[in-house]
Amino acid sequence: ETGVTQSPTHLIKTRGQQVTLRCSSQSGHNTVSWYQQALGQGPQFIFQYYREEENGRGNFPPRFSGLQFPNYSSELNVNALELDDSALYLCASHIQETQYFGPGTRLLVL
Amino acid sequence: GESVGLHLPTLSVQEGDNSIINCAYSNSASDYFIWYKQESGKGPQFIIDIRSNMDKRQGQRVTVLLNKTVKHLSLQIAATQPGDSAVYFCAETQAGGSYIPTFGRGTSLIVHP
Repeated sequence: ETGVTQSPTHLIKTRGQQVTLRCSSQSGHNTVSWYQQALGQGPQFIFQYYREEENGRGNFPPRFSGLQFPNYSSELNVNALELDDSALYLCASHIQETQYFGPGTRLLVL
Repeated sequence: GESVGLHLPTLSVQEGDNSIINCAYSNSASDYFIWYKQESGKGPQFIIDIRSNMDKRQGQRVTVLLNKTVKHLSLQIAATQPGDSAVYFCAETQAGGSYIPTFGRGTSLIVHP
């Protein structure tokens, strides 16, 4: 186990709704990254937070937003959900280059 | 654009055989490479990494080889076990930056008892 936890494990939403996913980092890790993994694909980078500031962003629209808290836990928020947002959402905490992934939240948008 | 890709989407082996999973990368600026294992229903798990100043690195039952000339990376698993069945991803990144890896599509390894 990596020590990275995510909640909830599964979630079903309808198109147009908003969702918040949560991640608790491994102790001592001040950087967290979020990824979207579609079925049969590799994880795609959404954004990264370092000490509560966004530190990089992938090719995702602004309706994907995030937060990192002083204890380095993090949230991913997605507004105006679309069917294509259905995926496994992974967070990874890291210090320097090695990332430790959580188990993911599987989101289904109907 | 730059990408990381895998040659074989599925690899089937017998228990006890050695497995080799290949990966091609195209970003010549990448200098840090990681292999991840992802079991069904779980997040990717770090297996082994290698920096561009090395050609080979060994772990427990795993070896990663890096050929910078042809931009090729491979993961060798010795004495493959049923528990090794999973999807394996290679990822590239640039050390010293934000360590944002670019993942390939993955190779599914199936180990038959």
